[in-house]
Amino acid sequence: AQTVTQSQPEMSVQEAETVTLSCTYDTSESDYYLFWYKQPPSRQMILVIRQEAYKQQNATENRFSVNFQKAAKSFSLKISDSQLGDAAMYFCAYSLPTPGANSKLTFGKGITLSVRP
Amino acid sequence: DSGVTQTPKHLITATGQRVTLRCSPRSGDLSVYWYQQSLDQGLQFLIHYYNGEERAKGNILERFSAQQFPDLHSELNLSSLELGDSALYFCASSKPGGADSYNEQFFGPGTRLTVL
Repeated sequence: AQTVTQSQPEMSVQEAETVTLSCTYDTSESDYYLFWYKQPPSRQMILVIRQEAYKQQNATENRFSVNFQKAAKSFSLKISDSQLGDAAMYFCAYSLPTPGANSKLTFGKGITLSVRP
Repeated sequence: DSGVTQTPKHLITATGQRVTLRCSPRSGDLSVYWYQQSLDQGLQFLIHYYNGEERAKGNILERFSAQQFPDLHSELNLSSLELGDSALYFCASSKPGGADSYNEQFFGPGTRLTVL
């Protein structure tokens, strides 16, 4: 079974600084997707970024980028120029690419990020 | 706004009762997933429906059941409720896709269930 581990329950960053959130996962599959979701106080789940395992290039979305290390099964999220609105819980998640079949998301426990003004 | 709607937003009920949570997926989405978010268990997959058919079950209790109707909306039924069932229940929907495409799951706002 696939597992996702986020070992840091909380992190804090100064506004405008950079922070990295860590995630490791375990799978025997070679093709899969990894995601970071943001859950602000409103509780809405928002997709931040995704990475396809077969792609060597790390995904980037504006201030958000990932460091995907497939051999190490590591998938960290870097937030640059942190903003107050980045304060939220962040979940790392895993999914198999099986359209039409079950592409359930397996989530880590999440990390609470606070941003200091 | 993800385009996925869930009703009700909040539900307060007593132990032993039965409730129904409703989810309307985005237009064109055939898949509906249900997830439970609780303090002790985190975010867990419950069940997946695709075009009316159950595709997979996760850590869903026998007291819970779900279905997807011909208009593609889905309902999650929780019965004989216990205090530990208090949680935020999300549904998410996604489109069908080709063999090499990724089908993003769009989450609804969730239903917060409180069992007293």
